[in-house]
Amino acid sequence: DGGITQSPKYLFRKEGQNVTLSCEQNLNHDAMYWYRQDPGQGLRLIYYSQIVNDFQKGDIAEGYSVSREKKESFPLTVTSAQKNPTAFYLCASSDFQGGGRHNEQFFGPGTRLTVL
Amino acid sequence: GEDVEQSLFLSVREGDSSVINCTYTDSSSTYLYWYKQEPGAGLQLLTYIFSNMDMKQDQRLTVLLNKKDKHLSLRIADTQTGDSAIYFCADRWGGGNKLTFGTGTQLKVEL
Repeated sequence: DGGITQSPKYLFRKEGQNVTLSCEQNLNHDAMYWYRQDPGQGLRLIYYSQIVNDFQKGDIAEGYSVSREKKESFPLTVTSAQKNPTAFYLCASSDFQGGGRHNEQFFGPGTRLTVL
Repeated sequence: GEDVEQSLFLSVREGDSSVINCTYTDSSSTYLYWYKQEPGAGLQLLTYIFSNMDMKQDQRLTVLLNKKDKHLSLRIADTQTGDSAIYFCADRWGGGNKLTFGTGTQLKVEL
C-alpha cells in the first residue's frame, strides 16, 4: 500500500530538549512538506522540499530544522529554540508540478507533540 | 502573502445541506482545494476546482467559485453524521507548488 507514515503518533518532550519527528513516503513523490496545526489557526507551513538535498523555509521555520537526504524521507527536528512547540505536526508529499498543473498533497496521520 | 479565511464553526441537522465558505486574497490562484480532517488524523482531499471553472459537482459535493469576489464554497447535500469533521480550503497560487490553508471550519452534524 502506498502512503505516508509518521512516527511516533504521540511524543512528549521536556523543555530544552531537541526532538525529531519522522516522515516517510513510498509514493515516489518529489516534494515533501511539514505543517504545524494549532486550534483555530489552520495549517502553517514550516519547511518544504521539492527535490532531494534541497529544502526551503516556510512561513514559520524559526526553531525547526529539516534534512532531505533520501527521496522517501523528510525528518523534522524541533529544537529547544522553538518557543511554543506543543502542537499537531503533519507531513505531506506531492508530485512536483509547476506550470499550473493540479497538485494534490497527500497527508500522513500526524504526530502530536507535547512539551512538559 | 496570501490570506485564506473561513468561519470556525458550522452546525447542521442530519439530512440538511451544509455550506462552508472560504475567501482568499490572491488573484493569481490556479487551483483551490477542499480537504477533510477527522479527529486526530491527517487531511484527505475531498475535491478541487481549477480557477477557470465556476462550479464542480461530485456526488453530494458541490463547489462554487466566484473569482470576482474571491469566494469559494463547499455544499454538502444530505449531510450525515459521518460528515462531522474539520473542513479546510486551500489555495495554490503564484505559480508555485505550495498551498495556503484556511483556518478550518468545524462541522457538527446533529440528529
